[in-house]
Amino acid sequence: GESVGLHLPTLSVQEGDNSIINCAYSNSASDYFIWYKQESGKGPQFIIDIRSNMDKRQGQRVTVLLNKTVKHLSLQIAATQPGDSAVYFCAERSYGGSQGNLIFGKGTKLSVKP
Amino acid sequence: DTGVSQDPRHKITKRGQNVTFRCDPISEHNRLYWYRQTLGQGPEFLTYFQNEAQLEKSRLLSDRFSAERPKGSFSTLEIQRTEQGDSAMYLCASSLGQGTGELFFGEGSRLTVL
Repeated sequence: GESVGLHLPTLSVQEGDNSIINCAYSNSASDYFIWYKQESGKGPQFIIDIRSNMDKRQGQRVTVLLNKTVKHLSLQIAATQPGDSAVYFCAERSYGGSQGNLIFGKGTKLSVKP
Repeated sequence: DTGVSQDPRHKITKRGQNVTFRCDPISEHNRLYWYRQTLGQGPEFLTYFQNEAQLEKSRLLSDRFSAERPKGSFSTLEIQRTEQGDSAMYLCASSLGQGTGELFFGEGSRLTVL
């Protein structure tokens, strides 16, 4: 229900520390994964993506790790800054599935303490 | 600003009224998507267009919902006979199409049905 949905998993980190946000997916047919960041009152913003033929991809201050064996995805943020405070969503797309239908997870709220 | 724009940003309506949202995608993007997001949840796919063709509709899209993209540019999402359960953020996104799953989201249109 609505009250359960409000209780997002929350990760609280100190400014300058590294953050790791985890995501479990259930569909072994998923071949493409994306991390989005959503700040309060705004639309989701693309961070980084990874295809299933890779297990790691790096961007600027962010790294995505994919473990297909256990169907787990993680987002690592280096030297976390206050501006990183937001809700982070992983999303997946199934191989052969709709080109439009990204399935989003529930999200994790990242809180950065100065 | 050349991002995805949505209008109106906020809409309060009484149950039973019709509402329409507009989305203007990034100009060179041929794909346009509608998602719905409720508090504390990730976005849920509703429908998407490639140019003017509506290629997929979610089962979430009841017959009270209709989306159009008449000239392959802007799109409208209409909800007829609104219900309180329709209260949500309606997100529009666009993309270049095949080869990338990166969707560029707008800021959303928040609907409150009283």
